[in-house]
Amino acid sequence: SAVISQKPSRDICQRGTSLTIQCQVDSQVTMMFWYRQQPGQSLTLIATANQGSEATYESGFVIDKFPISRPNLTFSTLTVSNMSPEDSSIYLCSVGGGAGELFFGEGSRLTVL
Amino acid sequence: AQTVTQSQPEMSVQEAETVTLSCTYDTSESNYYLFWYKQPPSRQMILVIRQEAYKQQNATENRFSVNFQKAAKSFSLKISDSQLGDTAMYFCAFMRGAGGTSYGKLTFGQGTILTVHP
Repeated sequence: SAVISQKPSRDICQRGTSLTIQCQVDSQVTMMFWYRQQPGQSLTLIATANQGSEATYESGFVIDKFPISRPNLTFSTLTVSNMSPEDSSIYLCSVGGGAGELFFGEGSRLTVL
Repeated sequence: AQTVTQSQPEMSVQEAETVTLSCTYDTSESNYYLFWYKQPPSRQMILVIRQEAYKQQNATENRFSVNFQKAAKSFSLKISDSQLGDTAMYFCAFMRGAGGTSYGKLTFGQGTILTVHP
């Protein structure tokens, strides 16, 4: 399984600001996935990040709000823009295994005041 | 669209006993994967067990096993000899097979909080 590191682990942000979450993987992967877990809820896929192309967003998520970068095969960033309290969530980075499963980072817990 | 339902918001079990967590799903696909993930208070999502839909044999991983009933679209997780470290939120998840645009797109259930008591 891959080792996935996320930064920051947690942060408290002010309304209207933006925060960038970093995800580093210990091996080269073609696709990286960003999920959101709202308080007390399940996980929802935000977007798929491929190296060398624009991210593919799921219904309900847009690039202006969640811009994603994928500069190389081991790194990706997710920015949460113009934050509101509704953006308070855990954001998780994940990569695929060899048999359909996903491996997740430890998550970044954002609290927006 | 696929849906995954976990009907037990919370469960508890005594240490060393056995507990079963329920999961049902709805799909028209014939090729798919099912997973159980564990999320302890540390937040890390940990893969517990995986089942390919085309396999009739139930998956097992040490103390964890599943009862996969494809016709009934049921996928329960049995934890034997429960340990304090098993205390966590457990999520059932579904993914369409055959790669392509479905790869990496997990549909999660709402989760079951399992507490193991000493």
